[in-house]
Amino acid sequence: GDSVTQMEGPVTLSEEAFLTINCTYTATGYPSLFWYVQYPGEGLQLLLKATKADDKGSNKGFEATYRKETTSFHLEKGSVQVSDSAVYFCALSGYYGQNFVFGPGTRLSVLP
Amino acid sequence: EAGVAQSPRYKIIEKRQSVAFWCNPISGHATLYWYQQILGQGPKLLIQFQNNGVVDDSQLPKDRFSAERLKGVDSTLKIQPAKLEDSAVYLCASSFGANYGYTFGSGTRLTVV
Repeated sequence: GDSVTQMEGPVTLSEEAFLTINCTYTATGYPSLFWYVQYPGEGLQLLLKATKADDKGSNKGFEATYRKETTSFHLEKGSVQVSDSAVYFCALSGYYGQNFVFGPGTRLSVLP
Repeated sequence: EAGVAQSPRYKIIEKRQSVAFWCNPISGHATLYWYQQILGQGPKLLIQFQNNGVVDDSQLPKDRFSAERLKGVDSTLKIQPAKLEDSAVYLCASSFGANYGYTFGSGTRLTVV
């Protein structure tokens, strides 16, 4: 079945450091890819998405590019802030929104 | 637009008791999902509704969990009887359609003691 693999955390960075959180997937067909963020004590929020190969999703300084050839959707940010500390989930769904699958999550801690 | 509403926010029950969670999705969202998120893990889909019909309940422990979506709007998820391993956050999400992503509620944190 479809699955998502993320780099294990926790990831600890200093403020203004460059962030990469790796995400790879296994899926049949042409899935849509998502990054969700969960701040402490809060629910999941959609951070960005990409629906086809080579699409780049971006939001709040975060970016991820849908790479079909490497089945990857790595999350990047050029300069992290303390307020970015959260758990980040990579996820995919089938073209019609079925089979929505989350990765295990990567906890990011940004130190001042 | 209003978000996905869930209640209660927190619930503590003893094992073998029953509990019910309520979800009101975003208006116009035909698809509704219930997820279970155990501490330190990603959310796991329990059940997916399209309007008031079940699309996928393959991971719902049907011996103790049940869910319904009345009139294709609100939904309730019930656990009877609860076990210690049911302690988790139960998330409701709704979606307008494919490729739009889901909007999640704040969740109900269940503790079974």
